[in-house]
Amino acid sequence: GQQLNQSPQSMFIQEGEDVSMNCTSSSIFNTWLWYKQDPGEGPVLLIALYKAGELTSNGRLTAQFGITRKDSFLNISASIPSDVGIYFCAGPGDSNYQLIWGAGTKLIIKP
Amino acid sequence: DADVTQTPRNRITKTGKRIMLECSQTKGHDRMYWYRQDPGLGLRLIYYSFDVKDINKGEISDGYSVSRQAQAKFSLSLESAIPNQTALYFCATSDFNRPYEQYFGPGTRLTVT
Repeated sequence: GQQLNQSPQSMFIQEGEDVSMNCTSSSIFNTWLWYKQDPGEGPVLLIALYKAGELTSNGRLTAQFGITRKDSFLNISASIPSDVGIYFCAGPGDSNYQLIWGAGTKLIIKP
Repeated sequence: DADVTQTPRNRITKTGKRIMLECSQTKGHDRMYWYRQDPGLGLRLIYYSFDVKDINKGEISDGYSVSRQAQAKFSLSLESAIPNQTALYFCATSDFNRPYEQYFGPGTRLTVT
């Protein structure tokens, strides 16, 4: 079945640093989505991408739909403490508008 | 007020008990989903519903059942809970026009002892 590989699994960064994470698929996608989950909460949609090569921003977050359609990237500029959490990528499953999910990238800011 | 609500937020139950988790939404979306989250495994789809009369099994439906009582309400039942069903459970909704943009409730933390 389809799989999403998300990396890195976790990141320790200093406040103010830029962050990059990525997600790769075993098959071609026509949609990529990025979500963030805070502790004790449900995932929140950050960015949705619908076109290969598309670059979309949401504040300090920028996501790109890879040209190969098998990967996507999320960048966070000038990280702040509230950026901590788990970031998930997601894409369409095999059928019926289901989503499949990466395992998440946990972002931790060093004190 | 939250657009997607779940009750209860936390539940501890014993093996063999029947339990129901409830989800309500005010977003007016036609599609609703139940997911399970285990540490390090991301989210896995249990059941999904495109409308009141359309319910479909997801990746891990064994041991679960659902009921779509109305467009705004979707409940998940564990007929006979077992310890490996201990997990976080999330309800989500999406609109027909943008089916992949899903909106999540706050989750239910279920512990089966």
